[in-house]
Amino acid sequence: DTGVSQDPRHKITKRGQNVTFRCDPISEHNRLYWYRQTLGQGPEFLTYFQNEAQLEKSRLLSDRFSAERPKGSFSTLEIQRTEQGDSAMYLCASTLAGHNEQFFGPGTRLTVL
Amino acid sequence: AQTVTQSQPEMSVQEAETVTLSCTYDTSESDYYLFWYKQPPSRQMILVIRQEAYKQQNATENRFSVNFQKAAKSFSLKISDSQLGDAAMYFCAYRSSFTPDGLTFGKGTHLIIQP
Repeated sequence: DTGVSQDPRHKITKRGQNVTFRCDPISEHNRLYWYRQTLGQGPEFLTYFQNEAQLEKSRLLSDRFSAERPKGSFSTLEIQRTEQGDSAMYLCASTLAGHNEQFFGPGTRLTVL
Repeated sequence: AQTVTQSQPEMSVQEAETVTLSCTYDTSESDYYLFWYKQPPSRQMILVIRQEAYKQQNATENRFSVNFQKAAKSFSLKISDSQLGDAAMYFCAYRSSFTPDGLTFGKGTHLIIQP
């Protein structure tokens, strides 16, 4: 499968715990995006990387959210001290710079109890 | 900031009929891209069709076409000969030409296909 993959697909955690999600983009794609999608809403842009550089992070929802892409390949999104309001689908997308279409992964569904 | 509005939370159409999904957007930019994405139940989002704002010609992809009205900031999606596999959430999205930031999405329209 050469599409965007995300792991895990589902995560259930207790309030206050830290969680980390992983995204593996399409191999030749140098741009990687993270979105959050809550029930009944469209995806909301959080942050993006070009190679290993995080070029936009002001849209991250709070300082509890952070993302990395250390080698310009896979990326991780971490949420510290999770809250019930963090329950959502977290989507990753990738593209090649200069191209318009973003290819989305299947998402990680987070449930915070 | 740009906003995208989809005023139809749900639409229903008979199989083989034609349906049009509405989308309006607000921007002060002159050049941008518009997209329609499809999100089937429990499956990942896929691109249906895209339109560059500088192109006057409406984009078409097989049974899918758009009606792009730049002055009115309207970008509707027409699905012809609706098929059961078209049932999904459809999201309209905007991206600036000037920055490679992420997409701005509308809230989506749930499309139901009646057999």
